[in-house]
Amino acid sequence: EDKVVQSPLSLVVHEGDTVTLNCSYEVTNFRSLLWYKQEKKAPTFLFMLTSSGIEKKSGRLSSILDKKELSSILNITATQTGDSAIYLCAVATSTSGTYKYIFGTGTRLKVLA
Amino acid sequence: GAVVSQHPSWVICKSGTSVKIECRSLDFQATTMFWYRQFPKQSLMLMATSNEGSKATYEQGVEKDKFLINHASLTLSTLTVTSAHPEDSSFYICSARRVGGYEQYFGPGTRLTVT
Repeated sequence: EDKVVQSPLSLVVHEGDTVTLNCSYEVTNFRSLLWYKQEKKAPTFLFMLTSSGIEKKSGRLSSILDKKELSSILNITATQTGDSAIYLCAVATSTSGTYKYIFGTGTRLKVLA
Repeated sequence: GAVVSQHPSWVICKSGTSVKIECRSLDFQATTMFWYRQFPKQSLMLMATSNEGSKATYEQGVEKDKFLINHASLTLSTLTVTSAHPEDSSFYICSARRVGGYEQYFGPGTRLTVT
């Protein structure tokens, strides 16, 4: 059975701290790994990773995929209160051309002022 | 680009009635649309995958006759919750995958409350 596991489940830090969120997966027919940020409503897209070892960066956020270890990390540096959210990792799989996304449980991040 | 809308954003209905939720990709064509359900403080649970012009593929444990999905065009999919019960109350989110793309783009979600 395909599964995606995120850790930690929950994290509380102070503004300015750096956090690392983890995502590991066991799936068949891996296509890509995606990170999303979810605040009050639906998730918003952060990154999509398909190649191992290539870092994607956007401002204070960065992510990298390790296909050998079947995992990915999402780093947030100099955290701000606005970074408080649930961060979701999803893995896209494909069977006979049909795509499916499997979500992890999410990491709930709270950044204190 | 890549905007997905959902309508309604919030609905309250009585037990036994049916509710239809629309998901539209506004500025792109979507090969595939996905319907998720999310309970409070939990992750997204995939309910079904729909491809334009064909029957939806439902995940194990999701009742096809209860959650009717129609993907009428490359920009519209609908989810109808039939004979709704209070346990169907949840946050329903759709997403769309662009033709030829890998990313999925989420709609804003619909909060359904069944009384």
